[in-house]
Amino acid sequence: EVQLVESAGGLIQPGGSLRLSCAASGFTVSSNYMTWVRQAPGKGPEWVSVIYSSGNTHYADSVKGRFTISRDNSKNTLYLQMNSLRDEDTAVYYCVGGLNYWGQGTLVTVSS
Amino acid sequence: QAVLTQPASLSASPGASASLTCTLRSGFNVGTFNIYWYQQKPGSPPQYLLTYKSDSDKQQGSGVPSRFSGSKDASANAGILLISGLQSEDEADYYCMIWHNNAWVFGGGTKLTVL
Repeated sequence: EVQLVESAGGLIQPGGSLRLSCAASGFTVSSNYMTWVRQAPGKGPEWVSVIYSSGNTHYADSVKGRFTISRDNSKNTLYLQMNSLRDEDTAVYYCVGGLNYWGQGTLVTVSS
Repeated sequence: QAVLTQPASLSASPGASASLTCTLRSGFNVGTFNIYWYQQKPGSPPQYLLTYKSDSDKQQGSGVPSRFSGSKDASANAGILLISGLQSEDEADYYCMIWHNNAWVFGGGTKLTVL
């Protein structure tokens, strides 16, 4: 059974940083493309970033230069380093393996 | 104008069929894209339903009932999710998605009410 488990989010002040992790089981992070998708309260999903098996990465314009996606193959874990957080980054963040394996999501609230 | 436009809401009766549309913005030819469909219920992540590019190039998600199917309307430049034999548990938000320039682009979603 595939499981993707995100780390706890939390309340972060504007300008702050947070690193999310996504531990995978039953699914090899390094062999698949892995994506972060976020969903603001009451809104639809928004793609954030992808890392391919090759290691190539891509980012949404809204987070480019502030967020960094990475993985640790030895830990079978995906990461999202979020810096210079803004109010509009408030959302539930989902880790997605391929198209169809989604974590349960973790809420990140950016507010003073 | 958004790349993918979905009607905000749709209502249908149990046992009936519902056709959910996903219209692509001018300049995006529906014929060239895989259209991905997701279902989301409150408090849960989106669940992958299916991928549709053509009748000969489509994929059903694991465990997804065959009463969920995809199609396209080239004249309307739209992808379509057809749900037949509606059940109360089909009440949910439905999102279409395309993969464009290494990014996932989601539609705004359709809230399907079964009543």
